[in-house]
Amino acid sequence: SQQGEEDPQALSIQEGENATMNCSYKTSINNLQWYRQNSGRGLVHLILIRSNEREKHSGRLRVTLDTSKKSSSLLITASRAADTASYFCATDGWSSYKLIFGSGTRLLVRP
Amino acid sequence: DTEVTQTPKHLVMGMTNKKSLKCEQHMGHRAMYWYKQKAKKPPELMFVYSYEKLSINESVPSRFSPECPNSSLLNLHLHALQPEDSALYLCASSQEWSEPYGYGYTFGSGTRLTVV
Repeated sequence: SQQGEEDPQALSIQEGENATMNCSYKTSINNLQWYRQNSGRGLVHLILIRSNEREKHSGRLRVTLDTSKKSSSLLITASRAADTASYFCATDGWSSYKLIFGSGTRLLVRP
Repeated sequence: DTEVTQTPKHLVMGMTNKKSLKCEQHMGHRAMYWYKQKAKKPPELMFVYSYEKLSINESVPSRFSPECPNSSLLNLHLHALQPEDSALYLCASSQEWSEPYGYGYTFGSGTRLTVV
């Protein structure tokens, strides 16, 4: 299965702290994406990192990718209460192009 | 317009009913998708349409019937569903199926379906 696993499953931090989520996957990929989902509604695309990239930044987000370990991490710096959501990694399989989601991390940022 | 619009937002249907979910985008995206999401689980891919043609069916039961009437519209026809089909159904689109051009997928807010 291509599906990624994320850890931790749940994370509770204080506002202003940094949050780190990790994703591992099983097969070769074209790219890896991170999405946010609030309250079980639609997902919002956060960032895409290609298989030949190692690190990418977008505002308070930093994503790393290690294809040798088949793993990625998402760092949210200076977290805010509004960052409270579920975060999913998703991998685009090398030949299948199917976007398959990992198990997700539920992040709670306490004010 | 940078949105994917899904209607209805909520749907309750009986096991003998026929209903349809609708999804619309006007971003010129050539790929559209249906995902199913159960509570506290990740979205699961159901169907992929590329240039209005069905490219992937993830072994979805025939009681779910997708349709892509044009490049902006995607429907999911529902018939004889079971209570275990209750879930959030998400539609998404992207510029191309095999190349997201760095922008990823744009998701609608979903239809919360309850089968009684």
